[in-house]
Amino acid sequence: AQSVTQLGSHVSVSEGALVLLRCNYSSSVPPYLFWYVQYPNQGLQLLLKYTTGATLVKGINGFEAEFKKSETSFHLTKPSAHMSDAAEYFCAVYSSASKIIFGSGTRLSIRP
Amino acid sequence: EAGVVQSPRYKIIEKKQPVAFWCNPISGHNTLYWYLQNLGQGPELLIRYENEEAVDDSQLPKDRFSAERLKGVDSTLKIQPAELGDSAVYLCASSLAGSQGEQYFGPGTRLTVT
Repeated sequence: AQSVTQLGSHVSVSEGALVLLRCNYSSSVPPYLFWYVQYPNQGLQLLLKYTTGATLVKGINGFEAEFKKSETSFHLTKPSAHMSDAAEYFCAVYSSASKIIFGSGTRLSIRP
Repeated sequence: EAGVVQSPRYKIIEKKQPVAFWCNPISGHNTLYWYLQNLGQGPELLIRYENEEAVDDSQLPKDRFSAERLKGVDSTLKIQPAELGDSAVYLCASSLAGSQGEQYFGPGTRLTVT
């Protein structure tokens, strides 16, 4: 069975600082991994995805994530935080049962 | 291109009352999902449709929840009777066949049961 664990339910960074949101996964098969973002009172929006090939994946709004099989991790980063990045971020894995398993989410706050 | 449309956006009802949510997926998306999202949690799948067929409803509480997707387009999710613990956000999403996890979400319906 697949699962994801997001470390830290809340992360706060200063505007312009590095953003790092942590995600570890568990999967018995090569995983398809995702990061989704949810702005207040909106649905989820796909940020980026890893399926196969290059382990460094670039997404929208300057975010990227690196798939590290040896560490079973898929951490999300952005070099310089912007106020508009404040949102809830969900890591997810596509399971062998043809459905997405979401993590519990990390709320990102940006300090001026 | 229009996104996934859901209505209503907000609903407040008293316990034991019925409630229904409506979803219109992105045109051409044959797969439709209903999710439950509790406060501070990730979405949890309730039911997945491939066209008009419910192919995964293992997490749908069938004693009070029902769903339908007539003609393989719009879908309705119903709760009858609602309980206090049903207060949550109900999300609808859609995807193309074989998209392997890339889903498009609507804004959700926030249900409050008093």
